[in-house]
Amino acid sequence: NAGVTQTPKFQVLKTGQSMTLQCAQDMNHNSMYWYRQDPGMGLRLIYYSASEGTTDKGEVPNGYNVSRLNKREFSLRLESAAPSQTSVYFCASSRQGAYGYTFGSGTRLTVV
Amino acid sequence: AQRVTQPEKLLSVFKGAPVELKCNYSYSGSPELFWYVQYSRQRLQLLLRHISRESIKGFTADLNKGETSFHLKKPFAQEEDSAMYYCALGGGGGNKLTFGTGTQLKVEL
Repeated sequence: NAGVTQTPKFQVLKTGQSMTLQCAQDMNHNSMYWYRQDPGMGLRLIYYSASEGTTDKGEVPNGYNVSRLNKREFSLRLESAAPSQTSVYFCASSRQGAYGYTFGSGTRLTVV
Repeated sequence: AQRVTQPEKLLSVFKGAPVELKCNYSYSGSPELFWYVQYSRQRLQLLLRHISRESIKGFTADLNKGETSFHLKKPFAQEEDSAMYYCALGGGGGNKLTFGTGTQLKVEL
C-alpha cells in the first residue's frame, strides 16, 4: 500500500531552470495539497485541490503552478526556479471534508 | 486570518520527565486542531485531533477555547518521543490546514 508517492526525492536545479514535482495517491482521496517546509517557517501551503478538476492558491503560490491531472495525480511546476525556492516539498492527500492528511516522503529541492 | 503559534523551536527533557509542547491559535470560527509528528527519516503523520479526545502513544491535548490553546502533553517522556511536532489548525474551506513552525522535542537519557 504505497499511500502518497512523490518523485523525485532529490533535485538540484540551476536558477532559471524549470521542473515538475510529481505526486500520486492510491487511497481514492478527493483532496490533495502541496506544502513547502523551511527551517523556522514550518509548513506553508502552496496550492491545493479540494476535488478533481479544481485547484486553488494557498499561502505562498508565487512562482508555482499546479495541475490536477486526474483523481490520483497532482503535480507542482516551477517555471523558472529561484534560490528562494530551495526547500523540502511535501504532497499530501485527504478524504474530502477531512483533515487527516496522508503525506508523501518529500522532495528536497536545491536551486543554485 | 488564521494563525498557529508554537513558541518553542526546541524542547529538551530527560527521559521520564513530563512534556508539554505549547500551541496557541488565532481563528474567528470554530477551530479544529491537530498535532502532527515527524520522526527522523519518516513521513509526517497525524498524531491526534482534538475532536477525538483520544490519547495516542501516551500523548493528550485539550482544546482550551478561552486561552486559544491546544498544548500537547505527556506525563513521562520516552526516548522514542524525540521528533518534530507540528500543531495544525483546520478551517477556511477546502480542508486546508495551517501549520505552526514546529517544535523539535529531544528526550535525553
